[in-house]
Amino acid sequence: IQLTQSPSFLSASVGDRVTITCRASQGISSYLAWYQQKPGKAPKLLISAASTLQNGVPPRFSGSGSGTEFTLTISSLLPEDFASYYCQQFNSYPFTFGGGTKVEIK
Amino acid sequence: EVQLVESGGGLVQPGGSLRLSCAASGFIFSDHYMDWVRQAPGKGLEWVGRTRNKANSYTTEYAASVKGRFTISRDDSENSLYLQMNSLKSEDTAVYFCTRPLRPTGQTLGLSDWGQGTLVTVSS
Repeated sequence: IQLTQSPSFLSASVGDRVTITCRASQGISSYLAWYQQKPGKAPKLLISAASTLQNGVPPRFSGSGSGTEFTLTISSLLPEDFASYYCQQFNSYPFTFGGGTKVEIK
Repeated sequence: EVQLVESGGGLVQPGGSLRLSCAASGFIFSDHYMDWVRQAPGKGLEWVGRTRNKANSYTTEYAASVKGRFTISRDDSENSLYLQMNSLKSEDTAVYFCTRPLRPTGQTLGLSDWGQGTLVTVSS
């Protein structure tokens, strides 16, 4: 299963609403997770099962979708949100990742 | 607190072998499936493979890019996960992360815990 993330690069300002899309090449139900990764660090799980916010993750992050189209939304960007974001599917092996979206400061 | 600490990375020549280890603590390791994920320098994430637990016969799954060359194993008595890498290629150069799924077994919903990673460089 291929996951296509868009955009691959996003320039935004503090306070902006940001939406990242992840499209699957075939239906994956809700078996999708979103991660945040900062330079030199391991990824951090933000959202599991397409829309379940992990403990400790701020509510400005939200996930939605099922089947083949999913979105990660950051309602109001904070400086600490500038990072790379990845989706990953768990519907079938191999558990593929999307290509990533780098969110940079405008 | 869950801790995953990888070791064993380094420089290896093309065609060579290397064994990575991951020391786990803070949870019942033997209950959990465990995965390896890698990231080439400046690139995205790539899932490498999985080992299931004893109850599921320690069966494994692999990405096509490493199948037949890499072997995932575990020692539940040592709370350790391993990645044996053979016939290494330059494209295997990456940071390798040990990861723990959110759920111990069954349907995976996300990888909740990650080690800091260990760098493997394949070069002559």
